[in-house]
Amino acid sequence: DADVTQTPRNRITKTGKRIMLECSQTKGHDRMYWYRQDPGLGLRLIYYSFDVKDINKGEISDGYSVSRQAQAKFSLSLESAIPNQTALYFCATSDRGPGQAYGYTFGSGTRLTVV
Amino acid sequence: GEDVEQSLFLSVREGDSSVINCTYTDSSSTYLYWYKQEPGAGLQLLTYIFSNMDMKQDQRLTVLLNKKDKHLSLRIADTQTGDSAIYFCSESSFGNEKLTFGTGTRLTIIP
Repeated sequence: DADVTQTPRNRITKTGKRIMLECSQTKGHDRMYWYRQDPGLGLRLIYYSFDVKDINKGEISDGYSVSRQAQAKFSLSLESAIPNQTALYFCATSDRGPGQAYGYTFGSGTRLTVV
Repeated sequence: GEDVEQSLFLSVREGDSSVINCTYTDSSSTYLYWYKQEPGAGLQLLTYIFSNMDMKQDQRLTVLLNKKDKHLSLRIADTQTGDSAIYFCSESSFGNEKLTFGTGTRLTIIP
């Protein structure tokens, strides 16, 4: 099984619908992140969480919300989806802060299309 | 805020060396990273370098860091078809609890 699992892998939804993207991890990491990837723009941070009681906004949090249900689970919700939220969404985890070299473990991504 | 810049595309003949470049703005960067994204997959950490180093070599990969110019490069020797991917430059710094990623460089291998 993958260390970081994202569901669904692909989703097409209509404008105005609520949708939830789920992420679960078996790494035992405290830190979890949601990014979106758009061609030519790289990865942009939506939300991040350092433990179950800690949620922080990233650079593009408008239109999104998150829930950290447990150490291993971090969900991203689009309350009312709009077409410019069409993108590839990645969940990532890490176990260290910036004072040490650390790498993220990424999920395989969720491709979301809003029509 | 921090900014990381990369060229979007690079084409290289099979067997040649590939050099992917990156510039960043955060003078307090402590670690710089290279990630690889293959089609349909998430990003995987390739290598990283601490900011007080100027070079790191790992098999076919060589990372060069010019801290004065805030320039990072990744050299892939003897480029193979399996090296086709998008390569992301990333940086972290003390007090900034997250990684900042560049736009990614799509490496295409010409047979």
